[in-house]
Amino acid sequence: NAGVTQTPKFQVLKTGQSMTLQCAQDMNHEYMSWYRQDPGMGLRLIHYSVGAGITDQGEVPNGYNVSRSTTEDFPLRLLSAAPSQTSVYFCASSYSQTPGQLTSYEQYFGPGTRLTVT
Amino acid sequence: GDSVTQMEGPVTLSEEAFLTINCTYTATGYPSLFWYVQYPGEGLQLLLKATKADDKGSNKGFEATYRKETTSFHLEKGSVQVSDSAVYFCARGSGNTGKLIFGQGTTLQVKP
Repeated sequence: NAGVTQTPKFQVLKTGQSMTLQCAQDMNHEYMSWYRQDPGMGLRLIHYSVGAGITDQGEVPNGYNVSRSTTEDFPLRLLSAAPSQTSVYFCASSYSQTPGQLTSYEQYFGPGTRLTVT
Repeated sequence: GDSVTQMEGPVTLSEEAFLTINCTYTATGYPSLFWYVQYPGEGLQLLLKATKADDKGSNKGFEATYRKETTSFHLEKGSVQVSDSAVYFCARGSGNTGKLIFGQGTTLQVKP
């Protein structure tokens, strides 16, 4: 298994540009999420999904869109990049030990995408 | 709301020293608790977890005990190595959605 993969590893954008960060997992996990990591602030949840066709907002959703058309993929779209979105972005996936209950919450993280907006 | 608070870093220790990184959480419900580790340039990896009160998680010489009475999940290791240098994150589950709430992270630097 490749686990959780993210592309690209690095990206530089100009203010106002749009782009999509890709995330895929091959573990058939039902839960996927996007976090951003900023110095001194830990990881903050942007959006998450509990299954194909279902998404919801996390702590810092503004300026980002997501969709979950398949179990494997969970892309994150930046609509109009701003310098405040300069960060490292991590995608994660998780499974439940009991069907229908995400009681384990152990999450598997991708290697991250380092985004700079100038 | 749900939150996790970790001791501020950086923590600098000599090799073979004893490590404690404090972590406390808000006591809404009975969340699963986790420690994740992030080595330089990498994503987060699960280090250990505990899913109910008095459980002890352990891995690679690290331990943490789920203390409901003090709402704490402190990370300990008896003898750190240079290879343990990393950022350590405490986290709690939130509801039954798979969401995790993270602390701000504690940087550990171990010197030879």
